Amino acid sequence: RKEVEQDPGPFNVPEGATVAFNCTYSNSASQSFFWYRQDCRKEPKLLMSVYSSGNEDGRFTAQLNRASQYISLLIRDSKLSDSATYLCVVTATSGTYKYIFGTGTRLKVLA
Amino acid sequence: SQTIHQWPATLVQPVGSPLSLECTVEGTSNPNLYWYRQAAGRGLQLLFYSVGIGQISSEVPQNLSASRPQDRQFILSSKKLLLSDSGFYLCAWRKKTGDTGELFFGEGSRLTVL
Repeated sequence: RKEVEQDPGPFNVPEGATVAFNCTYSNSASQSFFWYRQDCRKEPKLLMSVYSSGNEDGRFTAQLNRASQYISLLIRDSKLSDSATYLCVVTATSGTYKYIFGTGTRLKVLA
Repeated sequence: SQTIHQWPATLVQPVGSPLSLECTVEGTSNPNLYWYRQAAGRGLQLLFYSVGIGQISSEVPQNLSASRPQDRQFILSSKKLLLSDSGFYLCAWRKKTGDTGELFFGEGSRLTVL
């Protein structure tokens, strides 16, 4: 089993749609969780950290379910500019300096 | 504010040639530093990380090496490149304390080995 698993997609959605991605992780000792966005041939950029209570940043909402070991990202009112690959990231174990990346979910927002 | 730079941005090297990629962080001190590789269409693979000068942890056996000669400088090297070394190399940093641990990436170095 991979340490971090994501559906690779692609998710093709129309502008204005709501889309959700899930990510599962295998190590129950993981403490920190993030979503990154990566545009084609560019470096990953932090989209948002994921907190235990869930958090929202504009049109983006992240949730953490420790019992089931998954995190989710919800994008509301999708824009063309949201088209990218979304990477799920977890720390390897509690207190570690290592970060494990999922292979990403590709989103394409269509006009 | 903090910035991270890596160079060169793009390089094409023959098999068997040496490699040196450099990464520098500005605006912070004593960061944790990381080298990742992303092969075409694949996820990020952690290659090395460093928690201080001269302290390097290797994650994957390979013909690459890393060094940290100064607090904010991280270098990725190879004596003889293989075809399989082609990929997108990303340097990243994070603060040791005082935040929620986000990683910040440089612009990346795209290596093609022919």
